Amino acid sequence: DGGITQSPKYLFRKEGQNVTLSCEQNLNHDAMYWYRQDPGQGLRLIYYSQIVNDFQKGDIAEGYSVSREKKESFPLTVTSAQKNPTAFYLCASLPRDRSNTEAFFGQGTRLTVV
Amino acid sequence: RKEVEQDPGPFNVPEGATVAFNCTYSNSASQSFFWYRQDCRKEPKLLMSVYSSGNEDGRFTAQLNRASQYISLLIRDSKLSDSATYLCVVFLIKAAGNKLTFGGGTRVLVKP
Repeated sequence: DGGITQSPKYLFRKEGQNVTLSCEQNLNHDAMYWYRQDPGQGLRLIYYSQIVNDFQKGDIAEGYSVSREKKESFPLTVTSAQKNPTAFYLCASLPRDRSNTEAFFGQGTRLTVV
Repeated sequence: RKEVEQDPGPFNVPEGATVAFNCTYSNSASQSFFWYRQDCRKEPKLLMSVYSSGNEDGRFTAQLNRASQYISLLIRDSKLSDSATYLCVVFLIKAAGNKLTFGGGTRVLVKP
């Protein structure tokens, strides 16, 4: 079955460490997105990518980095520069040229700084 | 001003009642609009797309007002299972990349 997979589901990080969140999709979607959600808040866009080897900063990119070496994969690295990384992280994908199409979401990764 | 804004609620709704709420967007070039539903600690799920002419799906009705730059969602005959956070989503096609922006969500609590 086609879908989008995030891993791990739960992640704990020590202060000062970098961690990488995985997002893989087999939907043949060009566009992929990373969002952050804090308790009681909406989703805020971190980074997005429309094609391989290209990505754009979203609204809260500071302290994060991404890569898009393969169409299927869009990993997000939370660096030590991100001062408050504890949050729920969601990855989404959709076809690039179809604007009226549902975005598919992974099940999310809950990151906690310990 | 935020690109997409919603009343956070909560909207406390008696079971069987009707509830409606809006979402405003700032970029008039926005192309497509959606309502997503999110249950606690889960990923968002598409509820419905919003078309210019307005559209209905069972007890749910969505409207788009491009002139005033808002979309709305109306839920009739509310069920306890409708309790969730409803997220407004705006899709904008840009040369640098197509942007999918979420509102902060409107929380709905349906009570017996």
